[in-house]
Amino acid sequence: GENVEQHPSTLSVQEGDSAVIKCTYSDSASNYFPWYKQELGKGPQLIIDIRSNVGEKKDQRIAVTLNKTAKHFSLHITETQPEDSAVYFCAASIPGNTPLVFGKGTRLSVIA
Amino acid sequence: GAGVSQTPSNKVTEKGKYVELRCDPISGHTALYWYRQSLGQGPEFLIYFQGTGAADDSGLPNDRFFAVRPEGSVSTLKIQRTERGDSAVYLCASSPGTSGMGTGELFFGEGSRLTVL
Repeated sequence: GENVEQHPSTLSVQEGDSAVIKCTYSDSASNYFPWYKQELGKGPQLIIDIRSNVGEKKDQRIAVTLNKTAKHFSLHITETQPEDSAVYFCAASIPGNTPLVFGKGTRLSVIA
Repeated sequence: GAGVSQTPSNKVTEKGKYVELRCDPISGHTALYWYRQSLGQGPEFLIYFQGTGAADDSGLPNDRFFAVRPEGSVSTLKIQRTERGDSAVYLCASSPGTSGMGTGELFFGEGSRLTVL
């Protein structure tokens, strides 16, 4: 089955700096890659997703890139703010066929 | 509008006891998922419902775990003869999609934290 590896497990950045989180996946048939943000005591919330027919997607300060050949995708957060502090999860699936498989998460701390 | 509601938010039980965890999805969402999240880990898939039927239960760890969704709305996750290793946060998510699992946004509840002593 699918295996998703995520790194780093923890990341600290100064407010205003950029943060990058990277994930790799094992099943070349996977073609849906969402990113979820989880705040303390809450359930994960979707922040951005990408499908394999595009290589990059942006939404304000957040962008995701996908390299299908290398089977890796990354989350980029620019101009980080303290409210970006949370745990971020990447995930992968074959839509209609397999459930979302999540990485182990990255705890991002933005230091004011 | 109301999001996914899970009860109880916290459950402490003793080893060997039976527990039920309830999930009330967003109204109109046909797809419902249960995930389990252990400390420091990502959510781990347990079971997926499309309507009333369990379309995929391949993530249930053993036959002590069972889930139902009799009317296609509220779902209950049932755990028999609980073990200490069952301690985790059990997350429920719903989705409006009818295209099968792993498609589109999942709307998660805040989870039920189960502690087995």
